[in-house]
Amino acid sequence: KQEVTQIPAALSVPEGENLVLNCSFTDSAIYNLQWFRQDPGKGLTSLLLIQSSQREQTSGRLNASLDKSSGRSTLYIAASQPGDSATYLCAVSWRAGAQKLVFGQGTRLTINP
Amino acid sequence: GAVVSQHPSWVICKSGTSVKIECRSLDFQATTMFWYRQFPKQSLMLMATSNEGSKATYEQGVEKDKFLINHASLTLSTLTVTSAHPEDSSFYICSADHVQQYFGPGTRLTVT
Repeated sequence: KQEVTQIPAALSVPEGENLVLNCSFTDSAIYNLQWFRQDPGKGLTSLLLIQSSQREQTSGRLNASLDKSSGRSTLYIAASQPGDSATYLCAVSWRAGAQKLVFGQGTRLTINP
Repeated sequence: GAVVSQHPSWVICKSGTSVKIECRSLDFQATTMFWYRQFPKQSLMLMATSNEGSKATYEQGVEKDKFLINHASLTLSTLTVTSAHPEDSSFYICSADHVQQYFGPGTRLTVT
């Protein structure tokens, strides 16, 4: 069964710290992996999309890496800010075309001023 | 670009009534749209894949007669929750496929 797991479920850090969120997936034959942000009661905001042929993607203070062989991805957030507080979701697609996404349970991140 | 809207953003209905939720791709056409459900503090679970001009494909455990999906055009898919019950209260999110999936803002359904 193709599953996505995120650890930890919740994380609280002081403002300014660099932090890493983890995502692991079964079946390394993925098509792509995506990181999303979700604010309470809101929809999803796509942060980074990594294709299976890529090792990492960067956008501003965010960097996502992909290691297919170990079935892992990390989202690195540099110089965290209170506005980064949200739930971060990792989602994996295992085939091309109109892809079904399998989501992890998410990591609820709180940045304390 | 690649904006997806949902209507309504929230709805309260009485048990036993039906509720329709619309998902629209505003600036692109989408042959395929997806419907997800999210319970409080849980992740998104795919309910069904909506294909324009054909029947939707439902995930295991999702009642197709209860959650009616219609994808009548390349920019609109609708989800109708029939004979809603309190356990159907949830956050429903759609996405539209356009190289990657673009997500709507979600609809909060509360059944009293």
